[in-house]
Amino acid sequence: DTGVSQDPRHKITKRGQNVTFRCDPISEHNRLYWYRQTLGQGPEFLTYFQNEAQLEKSRLLSDRFSAERPKGSFSTLEIQRTEQGDSAMYLCASSSGAGYTQPQHFGDGTRLSIL
Amino acid sequence: AQTVTQSQPEMSVQEAETVTLSCTYDTSESNYYLFWYKQPPSRQMILVIRQEAYKQQNATENRFSVNFQKAAKSFSLKISDSQLGDTAMYFCAFDFGNEKLTFGTGTRLTIIP
Repeated sequence: DTGVSQDPRHKITKRGQNVTFRCDPISEHNRLYWYRQTLGQGPEFLTYFQNEAQLEKSRLLSDRFSAERPKGSFSTLEIQRTEQGDSAMYLCASSSGAGYTQPQHFGDGTRLSIL
Repeated sequence: AQTVTQSQPEMSVQEAETVTLSCTYDTSESNYYLFWYKQPPSRQMILVIRQEAYKQQNATENRFSVNFQKAAKSFSLKISDSQLGDTAMYFCAFDFGNEKLTFGTGTRLTIIP
C-alpha cells in the first residue's frame, strides 16, 4: 500500500493557461474522488469515479473543468482557461467501497496558484 | 440541505491535557457515516476515527474518542493525553449516503509544550 499519489505538488501558472493534475489511487481501489480546498475551508467535493465511470459532478465543476479516469486506474483533472478563483488545493482520495468500512484515503494534494 | 458546522476555528491546549472539538450537523437522513480527519501542516489528510449513525456506542481509537448525540446532531471529538504531534487542522466529515464527504470548516488545534 503506497498511498494515494498526486502530481505535481505545486503548480504556478498565469491566468488563462490550462493545467492538468494527476492522481494515482491506492492500487485496487475502485473509487476515486476529487475535492477542492480553499484557504481556511474544508474540502469541497468536485467529482467521483467508480472504476472508469464518472458518477457524479458537483455544480462547482464548471465547464472549464474536466476529469477522466480512462482505464479505471489513475485520474486526471484538467482546468482550462484558469481564473484567479481557481487558486486552491486540489485533493484526490480513493476507497475500495463506500461508507464506514471503506473510508476515503487522501493524497498530499496539488496546490494551484494563479498569477 | 445537509450542513456541517465546526464553531471553534482555533483551539490550544497544554501537552498532556484533554481537549474536545465540537461538530454539529443537519440532515434528514436516518443512516449516515461520521468521520474525523486530521490534516497536519503541509501534510495529507488522515482518518482519525469513524462512527456509524445507527450504532449507539461511541467509537474509541486509543487516545481519541467521540461523543455522538444523534438526536442533538452533535459529533464531538475528545483527545486525551494530548501530544505535540496532535497539532493539526481537524475536520469532521459526513457521508450522508451519497458516497461523497461533506466537511466542516475545520478547527486548528495547537498543542503547547
